[in-house]
Amino acid sequence: GAVVSQHPSWVICKSGTSVKIECRSLDFQATTMFWYRQFPKQSLMLMATSNEGSKATYEQGVEKDKFLINHASLTLSTLTVTSAHPEDSSFYICSARDTPGGRAYEQYFGPGTRLTVT
Amino acid sequence: GQNIDQPTEMTATEGAIVQINCTYQTSGFNGLFWYQQHAGEAPTFLSYNVLDGLEEKGRFSSFLSRSKGYSYLLLKELQMKDSASYLCAVRDRRDGGYNKLIFGAGTRLAVHP
Repeated sequence: GAVVSQHPSWVICKSGTSVKIECRSLDFQATTMFWYRQFPKQSLMLMATSNEGSKATYEQGVEKDKFLINHASLTLSTLTVTSAHPEDSSFYICSARDTPGGRAYEQYFGPGTRLTVT
Repeated sequence: GQNIDQPTEMTATEGAIVQINCTYQTSGFNGLFWYQQHAGEAPTFLSYNVLDGLEEKGRFSSFLSRSKGYSYLLLKELQMKDSASYLCAVRDRRDGGYNKLIFGAGTRLAVHP
């Protein structure tokens, strides 16, 4: 139980294009999903927190117009990197928190999406 | 402010015991997690401490002292597959109650024969 999937697992795109990454909770309902970014040999940095049906809350320094987050249902959140540039190349990881009643303290992580912008 | 410190790298011998320390400063402490992350993969949950003391789970144990802002992860009977990064993360009770996780930079553990 508590499986989170991400699609795609890796993507290469050209500078200036947009890329959408999907995060799905497969066997539970996730009212809250988190998006992280991880550069090589660095730790996970929280980008934003999204709640189903409401606007995402972005961390300081993260451009909300560049990283569009949509949490349209209890099982799906998407991150769109708009007008991607080489410096956006990174490992993007989502996590999901179960609804109250489950192990609400725990976040379940997806397998990550490696984005390379050329 | 928020700050989490852990050693950058550690090495250990197969079959031995290793302790990875983590110190933290946060205004809204609401639990501490340890995750294991192999290169290119997502973190996997190891342990969760919210009260002081030791939590044991097989070969892995985690300790927390809230008054000292200190935790450690203890790995026993090390195996080669334990070579990975170990991330200390603190759950921060933020406005809105989202309880975001703040991660340390991670400790890269290399287990050698």
